[in-house]
Amino acid sequence: SQKIEQNSEALNIQEGKTATLTCNYTNYSPAYLQWYRQDPGRGPVFLLLIRENEKEKRKERLKVTFDTTLKQSLFHITASQPADSATYLCALGGNQGGKLIFGQGTELSVKP
Amino acid sequence: NAGVTQTPKFQVLKTGQSMTLQCAQDMNHNSMYWYRQDPGMGLRLIYYSASEGTTDKGEVPNGYNVSRLNKREFSLRLESAAPSQTSVYFCASSGDRGHTDTQYFGPGTRLTVL
Repeated sequence: SQKIEQNSEALNIQEGKTATLTCNYTNYSPAYLQWYRQDPGRGPVFLLLIRENEKEKRKERLKVTFDTTLKQSLFHITASQPADSATYLCALGGNQGGKLIFGQGTELSVKP
Repeated sequence: NAGVTQTPKFQVLKTGQSMTLQCAQDMNHNSMYWYRQDPGMGLRLIYYSASEGTTDKGEVPNGYNVSRLNKREFSLRLESAAPSQTSVYFCASSGDRGHTDTQYFGPGTRLTVL
């Protein structure tokens, strides 16, 4: 069956450092991959989308890579800030109508 | 633009009671979704509606029913609530950016079944 795995343990980093979150998947060939941010008590919010034919996508301090051979996406936040503290979810889609398959999320904590 | 709205925000039920969770979107999206989120499990799709008048089962549909009332509204009904249905429920919609299927989420309903 299709499976998505994200870092299960929380990631704690110092302000100003680069945070790197991992999303691995098996038994799936997505047309694209999305990353969402979720704050406590709130719904997820879309951040970035990367398609299967793209290696890298950037948006301000965010960078996403997508390796369809390794079946892995890396999500980087450069010059991290305490306001970046949240849970980050990856989601795969493109082959099931509009449906997405979500990972369980990784909690990021940026300390001042 | 309110985006996606959900009511109620919180609900406590006793086992066997029924209730309907309401969801509405004002973005003219075709597709709408209901998810549940449990600790360590991520978001799991309960039901979705690709367009007005159609609904389909997702990963965990047992114990739930849905109604796509019109293009704006998509409701989720628990006919006989069970403690296993204690969860946070999110409604989402998509359809405004061609085929990228970016989903827009509501604030969630926190449901406890005693």
